[in-house]
Amino acid sequence: AQSVAQPEDQVNVAEGNPLTVKCTYSVSGNPYLFWYVQYPNRGLQFLLKYITGDNLVKGSYGFEAEFNKSQTSFHLKKPSALVSDSALYFCAVRDYGSSNTGKLIFGQGTTLQVKP
Amino acid sequence: DAGITQSPRYKITETGRQVTLMCHQTWSHSYMFWYRQDLGHGLRLIYYSAAADITDKGEVPDGYVVSRSKTENFPLTLESATRSQTSVYFCASSGQKRGGLFGPGTRLTVL
Repeated sequence: AQSVAQPEDQVNVAEGNPLTVKCTYSVSGNPYLFWYVQYPNRGLQFLLKYITGDNLVKGSYGFEAEFNKSQTSFHLKKPSALVSDSALYFCAVRDYGSSNTGKLIFGQGTTLQVKP
Repeated sequence: DAGITQSPRYKITETGRQVTLMCHQTWSHSYMFWYRQDLGHGLRLIYYSAAADITDKGEVPDGYVVSRSKTENFPLTLESATRSQTSVYFCASSGQKRGGLFGPGTRLTVL
């Protein structure tokens, strides 16, 4: 079955430090992976995606993510955190396996708190 | 304007009433999705559609009905609303190999 796990409910980092938000996934076919950000009382904004190609993908606002097939992970990273990065982050996966349903499933979300 | 819209943005209803949430997209995306967002549960997929007249259940479909007679519209109906359906509902659309583009959400309260 298709699933996404974000093992940390909250991640706390100091401004200027690197940040990592973890995501692992499970699919039967080929994964298409995504990260989204949600600010309070707002909808979801797309950050970046992995479809094929380089395992390190770059996205909006200086974020990047590393795809690791052997560990079935897609961790979100940023070299230097900003207070304005504080938000709720979601990892998502689409499964293009034999059923090719295109279903888009989200993790439970991780709250990122960046302190000055 | 191009984009994805949801209506109403806010809705208060009573237990047992039927409620329909509307979703409209102007990109001609083949896929459309309905999610609910609850504290502690993240985003859970209710129903999705790969094309007009093709719909399928997601993770939490019970108590909901969808239809998709036109590519651009994907209404979600709560046939008999319950308090447990109080939530924020998000609609999204996407092409085949992309992530979803999300609407602004509908905040539904069932009294």
